[in-house]
Amino acid sequence: EAGVAQSPRYKIIEKRQSVAFWCNPISGHATLYWYQQILGQGPKLLIQFQNNGVVDDSQLPKDRFSAERLKGVDSTLKIQPAKLEDSAVYLCASSFQRGSYNEQFFGPGTRLTVL
Amino acid sequence: AQSVSQHNHHVILSEAASLELGCNYSYGGTVNLFWYVQYPGQHLQLLLKYFSGDPLVKGIKGFEAEFIKSKFSFNLRKPSVQWSDTAEYFCAVNWPVEYGNKLVFGAGTILRVKS
Repeated sequence: EAGVAQSPRYKIIEKRQSVAFWCNPISGHATLYWYQQILGQGPKLLIQFQNNGVVDDSQLPKDRFSAERLKGVDSTLKIQPAKLEDSAVYLCASSFQRGSYNEQFFGPGTRLTVL
Repeated sequence: AQSVSQHNHHVILSEAASLELGCNYSYGGTVNLFWYVQYPGQHLQLLLKYFSGDPLVKGIKGFEAEFIKSKFSFNLRKPSVQWSDTAEYFCAVNWPVEYGNKLVFGAGTILRVKS
């Protein structure tokens, strides 16, 4: 089965610019997650979708980050404007359903460098 | 807030040495526990998981982990490592709904196996 797809794989921007990342989850997976992984740390959940609705965005910096999953399939995460501290790998994951018993499958990530 | 601690950030072993990576989490409740692995150039993938039952769980590639509830620990072990085990290992804990129902990762342990 095809895995979680993400693009682009790498992105370099200057601070105050905007950037968007795209994710296509595994077919049939209702739950989609975006994580931020800063160098030397583990992934940190930014936002969780169940179909096209937001379940948890408590750790999303909403003044600059936004995400959508309009048709309940693929998703876009945007940063506007970017700051130096946003340099990180942005991981997308999906699972068949919500809940702690559902294994999350991860994409390859997008490595963002903000100069 | 919930947290996950991994005891060592870098571990270097020779081939055939035994491995134990420590993982502790902040407090109890009925948690689900995971170890993920990220091989160089690859994405995060599940190594093993514990939901309930026998506290000693076996995963892929000869890895196992033991859940000790009284110590809030879920240590990863392998009796004899191989050069191909060189990777970063992440412990992750999913707390139940009343504690936020999100997957929280430790900071990761980078394992280098010398051939």
